[in-house]
Amino acid sequence: EVQLVQSGAEVKKPGESLKISCKGSGYSFTSYWIGWVRQMPGKGLEWMGIIYPGDSDTRYSPSFQGQVTISADKSISTAYLQWSSLKASDTAMYYCARNSGSYNYWGQGTLVTVSS
Amino acid sequence: QSALTQPRSVSGSPGQSVTISCTGTSSDVGGYNYVSWYQQHPGKAPKLMIYDVSKRPSGVPDRFSGSKSGNTASLTISGLQAEDEADYYCCSYAGSPWVFGGGTKLTVL
Repeated sequence: EVQLVQSGAEVKKPGESLKISCKGSGYSFTSYWIGWVRQMPGKGLEWMGIIYPGDSDTRYSPSFQGQVTISADKSISTAYLQWSSLKASDTAMYYCARNSGSYNYWGQGTLVTVSS
Repeated sequence: QSALTQPRSVSGSPGQSVTISCTGTSSDVGGYNYVSWYQQHPGKAPKLMIYDVSKRPSGVPDRFSGSKSGNTASLTISGLQAEDEADYYCCSYAGSPWVFGGGTKLTVL
């Protein structure tokens, strides 16, 4: 069974760093792109970027380029989304999803709250 | 990359049909057949309902169908049921990034 399991909810202060994770199982992790999607409170889905764990090829939405870093460790079948300096506006639910022409498997989401 | 344009809301009575549109450009919806649709219930992760414009994943009822004409894709839900009430998002490949629509809230009256 294909599963994407994300790390737990985080509460951080502005300016702090954060790295959240997405662990894949039940399939060949290196053979499928993994995307990250943001959903701010009460708002829609926003595509952030995508990584191919097989060779770490990474693409970003222009809106998120330079704001976050996407990475993967294929040895432990895990993709990451990280921030070096969080802002209050980063408060959102973040989803990872496996791509095979569409996003057919999704993680359960990681809620990130940034508040002073 | 601008979000794809969807109506903010649509509604229908049980048993009726509704169609949700998703308008992009020749750089996304019109340029590729990688259009997909997602259903999201409150507090839940999105669920794939349609992929490659008109294909249904296993387990998705055949009441859900997709199509595309030019730069506009559409999701049609026939025989509306109460459990169809949710937010729906379209998504398209756009040459390297992907782009989502702004989302449509479906209300079953």
